[in-house]
Amino acid sequence: SQQGEEDPQALSIQEGENATMNCSYKTSINNLQWYRQNSGRGLVHLILIRSNEREKHSGRLRVTLDTSKKSSSLLITASRAADTASYFCATEEGSYIPTFGRGTSLIVHP
Amino acid sequence: NAGVTQTPKFQVLKTGQSMTLQCAQDMNHEYMSWYRQDPGMGLRLIHYSVGAGITDQGEVPNGYNVSRSTTEDFPLRLLSAAPSQTSVYFCASSYSSGTTIGQFFGPGTRLTVL
Repeated sequence: SQQGEEDPQALSIQEGENATMNCSYKTSINNLQWYRQNSGRGLVHLILIRSNEREKHSGRLRVTLDTSKKSSSLLITASRAADTASYFCATEEGSYIPTFGRGTSLIVHP
Repeated sequence: NAGVTQTPKFQVLKTGQSMTLQCAQDMNHEYMSWYRQDPGMGLRLIHYSVGAGITDQGEVPNGYNVSRSTTEDFPLRLLSAAPSQTSVYFCASSYSSGTTIGQFFGPGTRLTVL
């Protein structure tokens, strides 16, 4: 069964707004990763946060990790129409092969 | 570098037919894996490999075989196709330098089983 579960399943916002997606998981992890998937394409790795890290930034992306609550959030600031995609969290427990959640579908309206 | 390549891009099979989905990477990555993606289900791990000659089962291995004779190639075989195997299949690769760096995905193979 999937380790991570994203929330919400779908998110619709206006260009310029911030988008926040959450991921909850069940067991201890080595790291948590976020991916983006544009329609009809493969997944693209966005950011990886290790279990001993609490926050990480990459451009307009901010990821937090709370291992006590077994949860993570992905914040996209100042969203653009090009950010429209599905976003997946993936957790890795030690096999170097991550387990994916069901994803959040983000629509950014111009 | 071509990254991770998958062939074919699209395939239609009849129930009971067999076929092999090809996956190759030119990044010398140790780890390779196959996922299937179904609507509303996210990605589910079928099989994975941590190096040439080493494979293991994922969450949904039934009906699929893999082998890893070289670092570059990781083919996925459907033994006797069933309509339940209609899905989009993704191959991914990765490496570890102490800790992993995330997966590189291929463009996917869209398979329909009639």
